[in-house]
Amino acid sequence: QQPVQSPQAVILREGEDAVINCSSSKALYSVHWYRQKHGEAPVFLMILLKGGEQKGHEKISASFNEKKQQSSLYLTASQLSYSGTYFCGTGNSGNTPLVFGKGTRLSVIA
Amino acid sequence: NAGVTQTPKFRILKIGQSMTLQCAQDMNHNYMYWYRQDPGMGLKLIYYSVGAGITDKGEVPNGYNVSRSTTEDFPLRLELAAPSQTSVYFCASSYSGGFNQPQHFGDGTRLSIL
Repeated sequence: QQPVQSPQAVILREGEDAVINCSSSKALYSVHWYRQKHGEAPVFLMILLKGGEQKGHEKISASFNEKKQQSSLYLTASQLSYSGTYFCGTGNSGNTPLVFGKGTRLSVIA
Repeated sequence: NAGVTQTPKFRILKIGQSMTLQCAQDMNHNYMYWYRQDPGMGLKLIYYSVGAGITDKGEVPNGYNVSRSTTEDFPLRLELAAPSQTSVYFCASSYSGGFNQPQHFGDGTRLSIL
């Protein structure tokens, strides 16, 4: 039931764009995105609920495709501060806890 | 505004010892969670609670116990520590209203069992 994230790791130069995908084998009710910097706690980025709504957070946005049972996180014009590991957490209903993916390690270099 | 506070930050245990990881939140959140994080494996849910007096097992509960006597505190107990329990442990909390609320994480406890 653990969602599958791809790619596992990506290296970007400052200013480049990236897409991180999160796929589930089960129908999704919600998808959460978190970022964790090395040695720190995960930090909440955004939640997407069933309905396909795209959300944005400065230059980071995400989409949710119910039919494909997947969500994508879009990082535009990446900055050094974007480096870290990105986790998606998926909910199959409103009454069950999230299950987190293994994470995607993003490294932004100058 | 402290948020979620975990203690201790680091601990080394010997095999067979027991200990309690403390977690406290000051945001009046009803939902609280314990995760373990192993390298490359993401966050695995150990136990969770939807309110004082209510706890339930997550994905990897074996070897752990929890209690929730107050809204603020959610301690995690390790009995008979084993090397497989070497990990980073995170406590998190969220507003009530289902599991679709942002989770706020503590800074973690790094536990080594030798």
